[in-house]
Amino acid sequence: RKEVEQDPGPFNVPEGATVAFNCTYSNSASQSFFWYRQDCRKEPKLLMSVYSSGNEDGRFTAQLNRASQYISLLIRDSKLSDSATYLCVAERADSWGKLQFGAGTQVVVTP
Amino acid sequence: DVKVTQSSRYLVKRTGEKVFLECVQDMDHENMFWYRQDPGLGLRLIYFSYDVKMKEKGDIPEGYSVSREKKERFSLILESASTNQTSMYLCASSTTGTHQSTQYFGPGTRLTVL
Repeated sequence: RKEVEQDPGPFNVPEGATVAFNCTYSNSASQSFFWYRQDCRKEPKLLMSVYSSGNEDGRFTAQLNRASQYISLLIRDSKLSDSATYLCVAERADSWGKLQFGAGTQVVVTP
Repeated sequence: DVKVTQSSRYLVKRTGEKVFLECVQDMDHENMFWYRQDPGLGLRLIYFSYDVKMKEKGDIPEGYSVSREKKERFSLILESASTNQTSMYLCASSTTGTHQSTQYFGPGTRLTVL
């Protein structure tokens, strides 16, 4: 079983709509979680950290559910520029600073 | 802004060749990482380094070695390239302390081994 699992998508979203997707993690000892964004043929870039209480950054909202071991990302008022692959990331419990990446969820925003 | 650079965007090598991938970061980060990224598998950690001359194996170190002689530079070496090492290689760096988990990536090197 992969340590971080994501629905690969693609999620096809009309411009202006809301899209949400989850990822699950298997190691209950993981403490820190992140969402990275990766554009086609580009490097991953940090989108946001995920805090226990949930956090919001503009149109993006991240939630952490430790009991069920999943992380969610919600994008409101989708823009064409939101089209990307979103990588769910958990900090490894065995070694600080090391990250476990999911394979990514592809989002395609259409006009 | 943190800048992580990699020596090549695209490389084509032949089976059995020795391949060097170079990574340089300009933010005085202690930690550096090498990943490979393959479709459906996500990023997999090959090697990482917490300090100069220090290196530790990641999840898939077989067929690879690394070198970190200077803090800003982390090199990945394929001793004898094989076709199953065709992949996108990504270097990353991070600092220690409060934001130690935030990794900054280079643009990647797409390596093809024929």
